Amino acid sequence: AQSVAQPEDQVNVAEGNPLTVKCTYSVSGNPYLFWYVQYPNRGLQFLLKYITGDNLVKGSYGFEAEFNKSQTSFHLKKPSALVSDSALYFCAVRDIAGNTPLVFGKGTRLSVIA
Amino acid sequence: DSGVTQTPKHLITATGQRVTLRCSPRSGDLSVYWYQQSLDQGLQFLIQYYNGEERAKGNILERFSAQQFPDLHSELNLSSLELGDSALYFCASSVVAGSYNEQFFGPGTRLTVL
Repeated sequence: AQSVAQPEDQVNVAEGNPLTVKCTYSVSGNPYLFWYVQYPNRGLQFLLKYITGDNLVKGSYGFEAEFNKSQTSFHLKKPSALVSDSALYFCAVRDIAGNTPLVFGKGTRLSVIA
Repeated sequence: DSGVTQTPKHLITATGQRVTLRCSPRSGDLSVYWYQQSLDQGLQFLIQYYNGEERAKGNILERFSAQQFPDLHSELNLSSLELGDSALYFCASSVVAGSYNEQFFGPGTRLTVL
């Protein structure tokens, strides 16, 4: 079975500082990995995904994520946080092999303080 | 705006009642997914349809059912409602099923069961 862990319920960072939101996954085969963001009273918005190839993936709004197969991680990063980045972030995984649905982590609430 | 529409935005009903949630996918998307988001359970996958056929089932209760119509819109029917069914229900769509394509989420329907 596939699963995702987001070990931090809440991450606080000062505006202008780099931010990291952590994600680890478990799949039996190779993963497709995704990050989504949810603003208050809105649906989830796609940020970026890893399919294959370069381990560093660049996405929307200056976000990037690094795929690390040995550590089964896919941490979300941004070099300089903005107050407007404050939101709920979800990591998701699905196994490449087989018809399995996307599995989401519990989410991490990012708070960027001015 | 993701291009996925959901109606109604809010729904307030009583225990034991039945409701129908509606979703229209993005133009060209054949696959529709339903999710339930609650504070304690996070984002839970309920069911997926692809071009009118059920493709995958997740943690969907027997009291819940869904279908996808020839015009590709989908409906989620919730019956014999309980207080614990109060949640945000999201619909998402993607071009194809079981692929690396990202899902695009609607704004959600907030269901309150009193």
